[in-house]
Amino acid sequence: QVQLVQSGAEVKKPGASVKVSCKASGYTFTSYGISWVRQAPGQGLEWMGWISAYNGNTNYAQKLQGRVTMTTDTSTSTAYMELRSLRSDDTAVYYCARVKPGGYDSSGPYSYWGQGTLVTVSS
Amino acid sequence: EIVLTQSPGTLSLSPGERATLSCRASQSVSSSYLAWYQQKPGQAPRLLIYGASSRATGIPDRFSGSGSGTDFTLTISRLEPEDFAVYYCQQYGSSPAITFGQGTRLEIK
Repeated sequence: QVQLVQSGAEVKKPGASVKVSCKASGYTFTSYGISWVRQAPGQGLEWMGWISAYNGNTNYAQKLQGRVTMTTDTSTSTAYMELRSLRSDDTAVYYCARVKPGGYDSSGPYSYWGQGTLVTVSS
Repeated sequence: EIVLTQSPGTLSLSPGERATLSCRASQSVSSSYLAWYQQKPGQAPRLLIYGASSRATGIPDRFSGSGSGTDFTLTISRLEPEDFAVYYCQQYGSSPAITFGQGTRLEIK
């Protein structure tokens, strides 16, 4: 069965960086990309970007360009999302997600989700 | 980017009633690449509907989706207690500008 298991909660100061991991299992990692979606407390869902696990190609949300980097390690079937220059409004639960078979790898729909990682930015 | 506006913001209904949730797009959604998700507190979203009207694996048939272009609807024919949650629509036809609606909270009346 497909599983996405994320790293644990983080507390960071403004201006710092955070790197969240997402370890995939139950399928051939390089067959699907990983997308990242975040959710601020009590708010809706925000798409952050996507990385191909096959060749490392990325698409990032325009508002995060320059602050976010997504990478993969195919040897461990793990995807990473690094966000730099953290601000208080980056406080959110960060999810990794994968499309359903037959879906559109870079965009959706997402059948598989990680459990979420809470990142708190506070001085 | 395509802005998705969901209505109502909150819907108060009783178990057994019919729920109708709306998602309106600021421009036409390509090839009906519109999905609906259910989210319960402390959980990740769960895919219900994709391609505007196709049910995802394991989703009960009381959930149905319809619409095209800029107007989409999620209908829950007879509400069960476990259906009370927040529902989001997502358009995935304009990569890389993927967007979600702001959500509709379905609460028990």
